[in-house]
Amino acid sequence: GAGVSQSPSNKVTEKGKDVELRCDPISGHTALYWYRQSLGQGLEFLIYFQGNSAPDKSGLPSDRFSAERTGGSVSTLTIQRTQQEDSAVYLCASSFTSRTGELFFGEGSRLTVL
Amino acid sequence: AQSVTQLDSHVSVSEGTPVLLRCNYSSSYSPSLFWYVQHPNKGLQLLLKYTSAATLVKGINGFEAEFKKSETSFHLTKPSAHMSDAAEYFCVVSPNQGGKLIFGQGTELSVKP
Repeated sequence: GAGVSQSPSNKVTEKGKDVELRCDPISGHTALYWYRQSLGQGLEFLIYFQGNSAPDKSGLPSDRFSAERTGGSVSTLTIQRTQQEDSAVYLCASSFTSRTGELFFGEGSRLTVL
Repeated sequence: AQSVTQLDSHVSVSEGTPVLLRCNYSSSYSPSLFWYVQHPNKGLQLLLKYTSAATLVKGINGFEAEFKKSETSFHLTKPSAHMSDAAEYFCVVSPNQGGKLIFGQGTELSVKP
C-alpha cells in the first residue's frame, strides 16, 4: 500500500513478556518516528531515525525499549519484560526528510499488557 | 528547549459557530509549527504548517492558524464548525533544522448540532 503500515494492529501480552512492533514506512521516506499515545494523553516521542545518521533515542523511557531500522526501511520497536504501564498505542510515522515536519502516520499498534 | 502548550483540553461549539483552539509555544529559535488532527479510530493527519513564510497559514477543511511571535502563539481557527470537525487536535513544534516533533497534549473538539 501507499501509506505507513504497522503490525500487529492489536497485541495483548502478559506482564514480563517481550513484544515486537513493526513499522513499514512509505517508500522513499528517509525519516521514521516512533511515538506512544496513552489513553487521554498526547503523543510521547520515543525515537527517530534519519537516513544513516545515528538515531535520536532521547525519548525512550527505559532500557527495556529499543528500536532498529534495517536497510533504511522497516523498523522494529522492541519492548522487553513488558509492564502494565507500557499499555498504549504505539504510532509510527515517516517523512520524506526530517526537515519538513510533515509526518505520515500509521494507524498504530495497540498494546495491552495484562 | 522547545515545548508547546494547548490551553484547552476540551472545546465544545455548536455547528455553524466559530472554532478557536489555542496553542502557545516555547522555542529558543525560530520554530516550525503544525496542527495535526486525529479523528476517532483513525491515524493522525497534517492540517496545516508554518515554516517562517506567511504568518497566516491556511490548511485543509477551512482551518487556518496565525503565527504571532510577540505572543508565542499559533492558534487554530475556523469560521464555521461542521459536525465532521469533531476530533482531537494537536499543536506541534519542530526545530527548523529538523528532528523530533514535540506534540501538545491535544484539544478535543466537540461539535453540537
